[in-house]
Amino acid sequence: NAGVMQNPRHLVRRRGQEARLRCSPMKGHSHVYWYRQLPEEGLKFMVYLQKENIIDESGMPKERFSAEFPKEGPSILRIQQVVRGDSAAYFCASSPGETYGYTFGSGTRLTVV
Amino acid sequence: GENVEQHPSTLSVQEGDSAVIKCTYSDSASNYFPWYKQELGKGPQLIIDIRSNVGEKKDQRIAVTLNKTAKHFSLHITETQPEDSAVYFCAATSGGSYIPTFGRGTSLIVHP
Repeated sequence: NAGVMQNPRHLVRRRGQEARLRCSPMKGHSHVYWYRQLPEEGLKFMVYLQKENIIDESGMPKERFSAEFPKEGPSILRIQQVVRGDSAAYFCASSPGETYGYTFGSGTRLTVV
Repeated sequence: GENVEQHPSTLSVQEGDSAVIKCTYSDSASNYFPWYKQELGKGPQLIIDIRSNVGEKKDQRIAVTLNKTAKHFSLHITETQPEDSAVYFCAATSGGSYIPTFGRGTSLIVHP
């Protein structure tokens, strides 16, 4: 079992470019969650998705950020026109259903220069 | 919504000592409290959890206690080892939701 796979591990983007972060959940998991972690801060919830549906996006910034979890393929977190303040570690977690206890991936560290 | 406070932000101990990390939460309807360990460059890993119908849970050198009346819960690590050095996060999950709110983390340093 490969666990939750995130790629890339590190991503550098210039201001104004687009960033695409990918997350493949654990085998058998159909629920995906995205979190953002700023330096020396906790994990902030962004969005919760099931296959082809956004269930809760209450933590997602209203502009420039979007997420999807298509029927086939990984979940994608997309950040358009990145700014320096978007620099952070982005973690994806998955679960088999509406249950407690996530499994986290190793994260994508986004640096905006 | 839920608000979780975690203390201390940094904890330094000698190998073999005990370490205690404390968290408080605001929503009395919260009913699930996981603890995660995050090593440098890695994602958080669930190490122990407790539900609101239990006051204490133990797993080898790790234990968690919950005081629902006071709305606080604690992580206890006994006989600390250098490999316990990491950032530890507490979290609380409100009733009706499966999305936890995390504390800001405690950086535990165990000196050999």
